[in-house]
Amino acid sequence: QQQVKQSPQSLIVQKGGIPIINCAYENTAFDYFPWYQQFPGKGPALLIAIRPDVSEKKEGRFTISFNKSAKQFSLHIMDSQPGDSATYFCAASRDNDMRFGAGTRLTVKP
Amino acid sequence: NAGVTQTPKFRVLKTGQSMTLLCAQDMNHEYMYWYRQDPGMGLRLIHYSVGEGTTAKGEVPDGYNVSRLKKQNFLLGLESAAPSQTSVYFCASTKRQGMNTEAFFGQGTRLTVV
Repeated sequence: QQQVKQSPQSLIVQKGGIPIINCAYENTAFDYFPWYQQFPGKGPALLIAIRPDVSEKKEGRFTISFNKSAKQFSLHIMDSQPGDSATYFCAASRDNDMRFGAGTRLTVKP
Repeated sequence: NAGVTQTPKFRVLKTGQSMTLLCAQDMNHEYMYWYRQDPGMGLRLIHYSVGEGTTAKGEVPDGYNVSRLKKQNFLLGLESAAPSQTSVYFCASTKRQGMNTEAFFGQGTRLTVV
């Protein structure tokens, strides 16, 4: 049973587009919601994270929108670039228990 | 600054063989984790450690053992490898307790069990 459901599995956008990746979680005890970015052959790296006391967090071109009542959160990438092509994982955690979504492979075409 | 280093990067095992994956971190982090990554399933926690000499089970611990004899090293062992353990394994560490903080991942170990 997957506690964090992520969609879509893959996404292709043109340069400058705004890809949106969505996640939904089950456990209301989760209190930390990060997004990790992974390039081929590399380990995941933290991109941006949010806690449930805020509804939105922006860092550069990356924005997390968080809806606590719906138990959903999403990642928006503004002005996407070919260098953003990677796999993105959402996650939800509490203490040492972090559950990851299945991942979204993003391709940004020049 | 190397961060989190995993060895080996690739390995092919025959069913029933044993092996140990090594994770080393040079950030003086207290907390370390082992994950496996499978297509369509994200990363799943195998075991973790909250300090030298301590270990705990994660989401998918069966078939694996771990040891944390030194603060900087976290070892993952497969006593009798099975094809279902074919996966990419990632080690991670965090400065503060829990994954509610930035986790630093190694580059992964791709293991194939035939």
